[in-house]
Amino acid sequence: DQQVKQNSPSLSVQEGRISILNCDYTNSMFDYFLWYKKYPAEGPTFLISISSIKDKNEDGRFTVFLNKSAKHLSLHIVPSQPGDSAVYFCAASGNMIYNQGGKLIFGQGTELSVKP
Amino acid sequence: KAGVTQTPRYLIKTRGQQVTLSCSPISGHRSVSWYQQTPGQGLQFLFEYFSETQRNKGNFPGRFSGRQFSNSRSEMNVSTLELGDSALYLCASSNGRTEQYFGPGTRLTVT
Repeated sequence: DQQVKQNSPSLSVQEGRISILNCDYTNSMFDYFLWYKKYPAEGPTFLISISSIKDKNEDGRFTVFLNKSAKHLSLHIVPSQPGDSAVYFCAASGNMIYNQGGKLIFGQGTELSVKP
Repeated sequence: KAGVTQTPRYLIKTRGQQVTLSCSPISGHRSVSWYQQTPGQGLQFLFEYFSETQRNKGNFPGRFSGRQFSNSRSEMNVSTLELGDSALYLCASSNGRTEQYFGPGTRLTVT
């Protein structure tokens, strides 16, 4: 039972254009969503997060959008740079009030390639 | 601040042996979570420790265990190793917020 899904294993984008990475989830109890970037043989690096009470969060070139009714979130990177090439994971967690914040459920990842 | 550190970085063990991995969280972080990454299963949650107590547990067999010390450092242990335990084991720490910060991981190979 995969609760968090990233249906695109890979994405190729031209430098300077927008990258859009998508993620779907099934558990309506998820309270917080995060995006991580990962290089091979390294740990994931935290990029940006969004609470379930919001629909958008922005940090520099990165913007995350959340559509709760569709159980869908997306990460927009504008403009894309070659250094953004990596595997991107979305993750979800439960409510901190019930001590579920420490358990992240990850999607399978999308490999982004930004071509110069 | 120093980031999350994990030791050792690489490990080769034989089936049936046991292994202990160590994690030092970011200073001030009291929550430590462990994850296993394999090509087939992706990143899977093992367990979370907070103030020396296991607060959450994933769906792994009892061969996988962990503990946390009073200084928030954590260890995980895998007993009776199987070939399928070969993976990258990642530790992450948090200061009570949901954002977790990961270490570089320990690459375990079981032969």
